[in-house]
Amino acid sequence: ELKVEQNPLFLSMQEGKNYTIYCNYSTTSDRLYWYRQDPGKSLESLFVLLSNGAVKQEGRLMASLDTKARLSTLHITAAVHDLSATYFCAVDSNSGYALNFGKGTSLLVTP
Amino acid sequence: EPEVTQTPSHQVTQMGQEVILRCVPISNHLYFYWYRQILGQKVEFLVSFYNNEISEKSEIFDDQFSVERPDGSNFTLKIRSTKLEDSAMYFCASSESWGLDTEAFFGQGTRLTVV
Repeated sequence: ELKVEQNPLFLSMQEGKNYTIYCNYSTTSDRLYWYRQDPGKSLESLFVLLSNGAVKQEGRLMASLDTKARLSTLHITAAVHDLSATYFCAVDSNSGYALNFGKGTSLLVTP
Repeated sequence: EPEVTQTPSHQVTQMGQEVILRCVPISNHLYFYWYRQILGQKVEFLVSFYNNEISEKSEIFDDQFSVERPDGSNFTLKIRSTKLEDSAMYFCASSESWGLDTEAFFGQGTRLTVV
């Protein structure tokens, strides 16, 4: 069974600080996704990472993938309040069609 | 911008009743999915659907669940006899294909409350 572990599950950080969210998964996979979810809202796609060493950046968020270590990171640079949300990583099942999600990291950015 | 649309946004039903959750995927997408998220927990895969048949389903998707594409635009999830533990947010998603660089786009969700 494919397991996806995120840590930390809860993160409170001050505006302007940097931090990294980690996502480990248990079996090989071709694709890793990062989603953002605001309270009561849907899942917004942030990044799709396809290969070992892939790095993608959008604004203050940067995601990377190490398939050998089965690890992805989501790095937050100079956090702002608008980044407060829950961030999920998800790995495809290799059987074809299912995404396996981590438990999510609930991020709160405070002044 | 194209989006996945789900109705209703909130459904309250009595235990044992049948519910149908509706979704309109993005028009040129061929792969459709249902996921659920119990309050405060992670998102769980239920089923994927392609070419008018189920392509994959999880253990959660038992005989009480069914999916259908009744016409060219709608994709529905039916729960035949709801249980209290079916209370969750149900997300529909669609993707253009399944392969490299494909991403699934999620709808706003239907919050199902079983009482």
